[in-house]
Amino acid sequence: GAVVSQHPSRVICKSGTSVKIECRSLDFQATTMFWYRQFPKQSLMLMATSNEGSKATYEQGVEKDKFLINHASLTLSTLTVTSAHPEDSSFYICSARNPSGREETQYFGPGTRLLVL
Amino acid sequence: QKEVEQNSGPLSVPEGAIASLNCTYSDRGSQSFFWYRQYSGKSPELIMSIYSNGDKEDGRFTAQLNKASQYVSLLIRDSQPSDSATYLCAVISGYSTLTFGKGTMLLVSP
Repeated sequence: GAVVSQHPSRVICKSGTSVKIECRSLDFQATTMFWYRQFPKQSLMLMATSNEGSKATYEQGVEKDKFLINHASLTLSTLTVTSAHPEDSSFYICSARNPSGREETQYFGPGTRLLVL
Repeated sequence: QKEVEQNSGPLSVPEGAIASLNCTYSDRGSQSFFWYRQYSGKSPELIMSIYSNGDKEDGRFTAQLNKASQYVSLLIRDSQPSDSATYLCAVISGYSTLTFGKGTMLLVSP
């Protein structure tokens, strides 16, 4: 399977600060990456689809001004949680689509656990 | 609203038994189906993908798809305690976004 990394793996921040999470595809070029959020004992919820060189597509109910996504290269997408609040505390997971395989297959990064105090 | 339904479990099976995990989906136009395994505190790991009706086997895992019934299942043969995890069914339809079920927790007892 393909390798996707995320950094940081865990972050604790104060309310009101911004946090940037990086997602990298290590062994393939990903034109499309996805950002998910998972609350405890809940399933993954897609937040946005990140397309290299264009604006991200956000799911309904996800504030694009709060969750800034940048996909500047074929191997890197970033999610910035701006003015984070305790309710933003969650497990954020990215995935990347490997174009060399079956187009729909997505591989997940290890996730970033965010705690906002 | 596209939905993917799974029994939350937990499904408890003894070591060596067959674990059967089930999933139904609402969008009849769905074309791609996936099973992911998620250990507690970790991100999902792809186990199987299946795209056409019938069975697909990979080691101890067999995925089964029945598009007419909108049903997909995962069988785990010779279950091991290390198989204990939450299994997520995911479906793609339309614009290639994955829709996940809430997952079924599997507990394999030694």
